Amino acid sequence: RKEVEQDPGPFNVPEGATVAFNCTYSNSASQSFFWYRQDCRKEPKLLMSVYSSGNEDGRFTAQLNRASQYISLLIRDSKLSDSATYLCVVIDGTASKLTFGTGTRLQVTL
Amino acid sequence: DARVTQTPRHKVTEMGQEVTMRCQPILGHNTVFWYRQTMMQGLELLAYFRNRAPLDDSGMPKDRFSAEMPDATLATLKIQPSEPRDSAVYFCASGLSGAGNSFGSGTRLTVV
Repeated sequence: RKEVEQDPGPFNVPEGATVAFNCTYSNSASQSFFWYRQDCRKEPKLLMSVYSSGNEDGRFTAQLNRASQYISLLIRDSKLSDSATYLCVVIDGTASKLTFGTGTRLQVTL
Repeated sequence: DARVTQTPRHKVTEMGQEVTMRCQPILGHNTVFWYRQTMMQGLELLAYFRNRAPLDDSGMPKDRFSAEMPDATLATLKIQPSEPRDSAVYFCASGLSGAGNSFGSGTRLTVV
């Protein structure tokens, strides 16, 4: 089993739709969680951190479920510019090692 | 806006040649990572340093890859000898322990 797993997609959604991605992790000692966004042929960029209490940044909401070992990202009112690959990242509790999922591709269409 | 700087942006080389990739992390960041990204494997962690000390290089083929951090402003990744299967985008990232990281623009390596 991979340390961090994501559905690769692609998720094709119309503009304005709400879309959600999940990411599961295998190491129960994982301490920090993030969502990154990567555009085609560009570097990954930090989108948001994921806190135990959940957090929201505009149209984006991230949640953590420690019991089930998954994190989620919800995008409301999706825009064409949201089209990208979304990578979840897990940091272990000891060596601060970041492990990336393989990413979920989102395509928002007119 | 502080950025991680990687050079070169693109590199085409012949099989068997040495390749050196360089990274200047963001000033003040104590952790530096090297990743390799391919379509098939996604982002793979090759090696990382904290306070310039190597912490984990288990993701790196030891026989041909080496990663060093000669000072706080420079990290290097070398491949010798290079092989076609090394063709990928190599990213450097820096950050503070436990925090999200900033990535450089990557070095796109093609070994022919």
